[in-house]
Amino acid sequence: DARVTQTPRHKVTEMGQEVTMRCQPILGHNTVFWYRQTMMQGLELLAYFRNRAPLDDSGMPKDRFSAEMPDATLATLKIQPSEPRDSAVYFCASGTLGTGELFFGEGSRLTVL
Amino acid sequence: GQNIDQPTEMTATEGAIVQINCTYQTSGFNGLFWYQQHAGEAPTFLSYNVLDGLEEKGRFSSFLSRSKGYSYLLLKELQMKDSASYLCAVREVSQAGTALIFGKGTTLSVSS
Repeated sequence: DARVTQTPRHKVTEMGQEVTMRCQPILGHNTVFWYRQTMMQGLELLAYFRNRAPLDDSGMPKDRFSAEMPDATLATLKIQPSEPRDSAVYFCASGTLGTGELFFGEGSRLTVL
Repeated sequence: GQNIDQPTEMTATEGAIVQINCTYQTSGFNGLFWYQQHAGEAPTFLSYNVLDGLEEKGRFSSFLSRSKGYSYLLLKELQMKDSASYLCAVREVSQAGTALIFGKGTTLSVSS
C-alpha cells in the first residue's frame, strides 16, 4: 500500500536548535510539496518540487528554512535556528502533475520551546 | 495571488444534508479540490472539479462555477464519522509551476 512517509512524527526541541524533517514520497510521483498547518493559518504552502527541481519556496522564511530533494526518494525541510513560532504540524505531500491529487504523509508535529 | 474563503465552523445532525461553500479569487485557476481531515490526521482527497457543474461520488457531491469563483461540497445522509475539517483547495498555475493552495477549512460537527 503506497504511502508518503514522514519522520519524525513528533519533535520537541528548544529555541535555537536545528530541526530536520524528512519525507519519502510515493514511488513514481514527480511533485512533492511541503505544507505547514496551524490553527490560525490553516495549511500554508512552504515549498514544492517537480522532478526534484525546486519550483517555488516563496512561502518559506528564507533566513531560517531550507528545502531540498537530494534524490527521488527523499525530501528534507530544515529549520535553523528554530523559534517557538515555528511550532506546527508539517506535512509532506506527493502527486503527479496529471491528476493533481495529492497524497499526504501523516505529518511531523514540531514543538519549539 | 489567491484568496480562498470558507466558513470556519458548521454543525448538523445525523441523517441531514449539509452544504459547505467555498469562494475563491485566484489567477491561473486550474481546478478545485475538496479534502477531508479528521482531527490529528492527514488530509485525504474527496473530490475534484475542473469544469463547471456537479460531480457526484456516493454521499458526497461537489459543484463548481468558474465564472462566480464558487464551489460547494454537499454531504448527504450525514454520519457521525463525517465530523471533520473540510478543506477547499485551488490548483493554481503560475510561472513557478502548478501548486495546490488550501483554504483554512470548515470544521463540521455532526451530532446525534
